[in-house]
Amino acid sequence: QVELQESGPGLVKPSQTLSLTCTVSGVSISSGDYYWSWIRQPPGKGLEWIGFIHSSGSAHYDPSLKSRVTISMDKSNNQFSLKLTSVSAADTAVYFCARDIDFSGNDYWGQGTLVAVSS
Amino acid sequence: DVQMTQSPSSLSASAGDRVTITCRASQGIGNYLAWYQQKPGKAPKLLIYGASTLQSGVPSRFRGRGSGTDFTLTISSLQPEDVATYYCQKYDSAPPPRKFGQGTKVEIK
Repeated sequence: QVELQESGPGLVKPSQTLSLTCTVSGVSISSGDYYWSWIRQPPGKGLEWIGFIHSSGSAHYDPSLKSRVTISMDKSNNQFSLKLTSVSAADTAVYFCARDIDFSGNDYWGQGTLVAVSS
Repeated sequence: DVQMTQSPSSLSASAGDRVTITCRASQGIGNYLAWYQQKPGKAPKLLIYGASTLQSGVPSRFRGRGSGTDFTLTISSLQPEDVATYYCQKYDSAPPPRKFGQGTKVEIK
């Protein structure tokens, strides 16, 4: 079955770059008409879509984060990654990776990983 | 950019009650709407996509309706295991391509 697992540092200093990786098993990220998404949730708040990358390699980002976000794919390791630059305390959140199908929503999710931004 | 607005932000109902959550898009999105259920400390779970299609394995007491700008999620008979926060999400192509509503917390009296 399809499984996703986030990994990366749980603590990042302000102004530095947050880097997370999502390892996917059970399906190839470079095949099929899928989007591979990053979504975050600040403590006690709602879900915020960050962006996604299509299996073809094209990426789209939320306008509010576009200047600081890069999502990329590592097809050889079946992983996709998130980089968020110039972080502040407002970027503290649980970060989820998920599979997104254009007409069906996000059907598989990782368990989420908490990233705190603090000095 | 399209905005998604859910109401109410929270509700409390008795077990067995019928519960309805509303999601409104600031512009038409066809039927490109999904509903998710999130329990504390867990990842969201897809309940409904295409505004009204039940994801496999989701109980039939959940029903989604609507198109264009106005959508509803109804739980026909609220169960204790339905205590969660529910989110709508648009996924049409208009920018931004994905957007969540702010969530509705459902509790049992």
